[in-house]
Amino acid sequence: QKEVEQDPGPLSVPEGAIVSLNCTYSNSAFQYFMWYRQYSRKGPELLMYTYSSGNKEDGRFTAQVDKSSKYISLFIRDSQPSDSATYLCAMILLTGGGNKLTFGTGTQLKVEL
Amino acid sequence: AAGVIQSPRHLIKEKRETATLKCYPIPRHDTVYWYQQGPGQDPQFLISFYEKMQSDKGSIPDRFSAQQFSDYHSELNMSSLELGDSALYFCASSGPDRGGTFGSGTRLTVV
Repeated sequence: QKEVEQDPGPLSVPEGAIVSLNCTYSNSAFQYFMWYRQYSRKGPELLMYTYSSGNKEDGRFTAQVDKSSKYISLFIRDSQPSDSATYLCAMILLTGGGNKLTFGTGTQLKVEL
Repeated sequence: AAGVIQSPRHLIKEKRETATLKCYPIPRHDTVYWYQQGPGQDPQFLISFYEKMQSDKGSIPDRFSAQQFSDYHSELNMSSLELGDSALYFCASSGPDRGGTFGSGTRLTVV
């Protein structure tokens, strides 16, 4: 079992829809949670990061973390065609000897006109 | 704001040649990560460094090695290149803010 599981895609939604992207994790020691957006042939772009349970909002994006359920979500409101990309969740485990960054497998999102 | 800088952006090598990729992390970030991403695949973790010491190792072939220098930049050395090594190689760094940031990547093509 992978440490981080991400809902498989691809996901296709109409423009203006609310998108929900989800990841679960097994290691309760993960302390930081991130969402990245990756366009084709580009590097992953950090969208949001958080370290506590609850919601964090930035424009049309809301990141939600539920540490008790080991579950994180990214919500995209009023989705646009430009949101079409692969979305990766990631988590950081802090250790005394270094930090470990673990990714989900990514969800491909297509927002259609 | 300064980002993670990778060089070169593109690299073409022949089989069995050697390649060196460089990564300059965001200042004050203490951890550097290297990832390999093949076409249509998610990033595969190769290796990471924390305060210039190797901290974690993933699916990095024995033909590859990496190190982090005193100025915190890191280099990924790849020898005896194979066609299957053709991929995007990303470097990321994380620090006190813990939001790991990626560079734009180096596209390696082995012919």
